[in-house]
Amino acid sequence: GQSLEQPSEVTAVEGAIVQINCTYQTSGFYGLSWYQQHDGGAPTFLSYNALDGLEETGRFSSFLSRSDSYGYLLLQELQMKDSASYFCALGGKLIFGQGTELSVKP
Amino acid sequence: NAGVTQTPKFRILKIGQSMTLQCTQDMNHNYMYWYRQDPGMGLKLIYYSVGAGITDKGEVPNGYNVSRSTTEDFPLRLELAAPSQTSVYFCASSSQGAYGYTFGSGTRLTVV
Repeated sequence: GQSLEQPSEVTAVEGAIVQINCTYQTSGFYGLSWYQQHDGGAPTFLSYNALDGLEETGRFSSFLSRSDSYGYLLLQELQMKDSASYFCALGGKLIFGQGTELSVKP
Repeated sequence: NAGVTQTPKFRILKIGQSMTLQCTQDMNHNYMYWYRQDPGMGLKLIYYSVGAGITDKGEVPNGYNVSRSTTEDFPLRLELAAPSQTSVYFCASSSQGAYGYTFGSGTRLTVV
């Protein structure tokens, strides 16, 4: 089967950098994605890694190490509006982790 | 606006009733998925489809059925509703399969 683990909560201050980690188990790998969800609304796609390394999209970056079954989402220059839940998800059947609730404090 | 449309947005069902949650996308996406999300939890995959006429079970399919007769529509059927099916249901679609999914705004279902 497939499973993902990520921290349940992370707190950071405005303007700082925060990293949300994700470890996974899967028999077949089809990439790791990241989604953001505000207050139970529709999740929105942030980033995707199929190969090892760093993908950068504005203030958001995502990293993947397939040998370690590990990835992370890096958020820079944190803003209050970044307070949300962040999910990593395995490609293929798109199985989601439990989510990390990020709280950004002033 | 292009995207994924879910109806209804809210619904209260009595135990034992049945209903269909509608999902329509106008982006000509082949991949469509149904998820449920319980409070404070992640999204659990119910059923998915990789194209018209093709569906498969996800992590939590019991109590649900789906069909995919067209590329645009992927309805989710609840038979004999139970309180355990109280949840928020999201439909999603993608052209890529592995990433880039667009989600609908969700259906908030309460079974009493």
